Amino acid sequence: NAGVTQTPKFQVLKTGQSMTLQCAQDMNHEYMSWYRQDPGMGLRLIHYSVGAGITDQGEVPNGYNVSRSTTEDFPLRLLSAAPSQTSVYFCASSMTGALFSGNTIYFGEGSWLTVV
Amino acid sequence: GQSLEQPSEVTAVEGAIVQINCTYQTSGFYGLSWYQQHDGGAPTFLSYNALDGLEETGRFSSFLSRSDSYGYLLLQELQMKDSASYFCAVRDNYGQNFVFGPGTRLSVLP
Repeated sequence: NAGVTQTPKFQVLKTGQSMTLQCAQDMNHEYMSWYRQDPGMGLRLIHYSVGAGITDQGEVPNGYNVSRSTTEDFPLRLLSAAPSQTSVYFCASSMTGALFSGNTIYFGEGSWLTVV
Repeated sequence: GQSLEQPSEVTAVEGAIVQINCTYQTSGFYGLSWYQQHDGGAPTFLSYNALDGLEETGRFSSFLSRSDSYGYLLLQELQMKDSASYFCAVRDNYGQNFVFGPGTRLSVLP
């Protein structure tokens, strides 16, 4: 019963490096998203997707790219890492929403990223 | 857009009852959800209200008043393991993105 799986769990990057955070879900959810959470802060939406081939920007998209080639996978790419991107990243998935349905969002375990 | 407000911190003792309030502003309403997050962990789903009234799940209950744009999470018989952050959440106008409140940090004291 895997749910949402994201890797890596911990990563240290140097400023200017690029990397990809992987995310996969096995619940056949149409909706997937990436959040970042800074210490003592809430969850801020980076990018989201409502189905394969469809992506859109959230609240804080700058410096990140996403793609959705399959229903299962939703990788997040950091193009040129900056210290301001030091954060915890959560991938999440859900059914698409309507009242009474799809109102539970499932999170991966998180990826702790430090940019030095 | 959507916005949610919660108290930043709540402290209570073991065995007590605590209520965490959430007020929201949203154009399209798809229900109010609650999530728990322990330090170092991921948020996990606790409860959901689509209609007015109280939903009970064990020691946790959640209440919604749509006319007041207000809800709360009620935790009874508090245990040390309930020390965590609690977030309320709504979906956006299109029923797509989840928008989370700033979170309430609950500390349960012995």
